[in-house]
Amino acid sequence: AQKVTQAQTEISVVEKEDVTLDCVYETRDTTYYLFWYKQPPSGELVFLIRRNSFDEQNEISGRYSWNFQKSTSSFNFTITASQVVDSAVYFCALKGGTNAGKSTFGDGTTLTVKP
Amino acid sequence: EPEVTQTPSHQVTQMGQEVILRCVPISNHLYFYWYRQILGQKVEFLVSFYNNEISEKSEIFDDQFSVERPDGSNFTLKIRSTKLEDSAMYFCASTGGLRGAGQETQYFGPGTRLLVL
Repeated sequence: AQKVTQAQTEISVVEKEDVTLDCVYETRDTTYYLFWYKQPPSGELVFLIRRNSFDEQNEISGRYSWNFQKSTSSFNFTITASQVVDSAVYFCALKGGTNAGKSTFGDGTTLTVKP
Repeated sequence: EPEVTQTPSHQVTQMGQEVILRCVPISNHLYFYWYRQILGQKVEFLVSFYNNEISEKSEIFDDQFSVERPDGSNFTLKIRSTKLEDSAMYFCASTGGLRGAGQETQYFGPGTRLLVL
């Protein structure tokens, strides 16, 4: 069975602060895929990043960066110099390497960035 | 950029009524999914569909639910007799699947917000 844990239910920061959202996962698959999605108040799921289990390179995209540590089964997401527009619910998700390929989501972390 | 579309964006229905939620997956995708998100909760898998049949379904996906790909473009979720607890956002998703669905990114539609009164 797959499981994704986002221990932080809510985080509140002041604009320009850096913030890290934690994600820990469990899976028996040897090949799997990890994702982060942003869900703004409008409700849609905005794809941010995908990371394959066999690629532990960290990634940076503008103010966003991701730290994948297979040894600790973690896939953390850092926003540098946060902005009010970053306020949203962020979901970490795990997709198994099977043909059906369903995604298992964490409970989400609500990030509030105050001006 | 290709995207998954869903209609309607919002639906209000009376308890016991049937609803059909519609999705148009990305055109060359092979795997299709429905997920549900009750307000304030996480996104939960309902069902996956490939080659005109269900590949996997969760325990949520009971006999009141059904899926169909009636033509080459639409993918529908039918709820036969809605209950109050069916009120949620329903997301459709699709995956290319040429290398196996597990290997590819799942693209989500904007969701249909269903309210059962």
